[in-house]
Amino acid sequence: DGGITQSPKYLFRKEGQNVTLSCEQNLNHDAMYWYRQDPGQGLRLIYYSQIVNDFQKGDIAEGYSVSREKKESFPLTVTSAQKNPTAFYLCASKPGLAGAGEQFFGPGTRLTVL
Amino acid sequence: ILNVEQSPQSLHVQEGDSTNFTCSFPSSNFYALHWYRWETAKSPEALFVMTLNGDEKKKGQISATLNTKEGYSYLYIKGSQPEDSATYLCAFRGRGSTLGRLYFGRGTQLTVWP
Repeated sequence: DGGITQSPKYLFRKEGQNVTLSCEQNLNHDAMYWYRQDPGQGLRLIYYSQIVNDFQKGDIAEGYSVSREKKESFPLTVTSAQKNPTAFYLCASKPGLAGAGEQFFGPGTRLTVL
Repeated sequence: ILNVEQSPQSLHVQEGDSTNFTCSFPSSNFYALHWYRWETAKSPEALFVMTLNGDEKKKGQISATLNTKEGYSYLYIKGSQPEDSATYLCAFRGRGSTLGRLYFGRGTQLTVWP
């Protein structure tokens, strides 16, 4: 089945630790995105990427880092510099840059900092 | 950061009721307006991507309209069913938007009681 997978589903982290959230897609999509959701807020863009080894900061990139070494993978690292990392994280992808097409979403990872 | 507003924030209706909610977005530099349905414990899924002023789209009992000149879109559900219970997200894409990035509203949470 084609789709986007995120792992783990739930993640617990101690304060001061870095943690990496996985996002993999087998849709052959060029563009990939990371969003964060907090209660009562819309999805906010953290980072996005159009091609291997290229990515752009979104609106709330501070305290996060990403890599795009392979087309199908776009992992997100939540660093200790992120002041309030407890949230729900969604990964998405899109076939190409052009066109108004929809984004395809993964199931999300819920991160809790203890 | 662009402002996308959705109302109401939540809605509770009885099975069989028809309902509608609103998405407001900037009326300048419009490129596309997306509607997504996000059911609990699932990934958000695209309902509609709308690009032209006056667009009307329909999928089953769900339909949407678009007014780009005044910057709003309505989503209608005719004869709501319990399985329509979900959060409905709208997202705006502006002309010239880098890498197809979207700006999301906070969503309308719909609960349909049997």
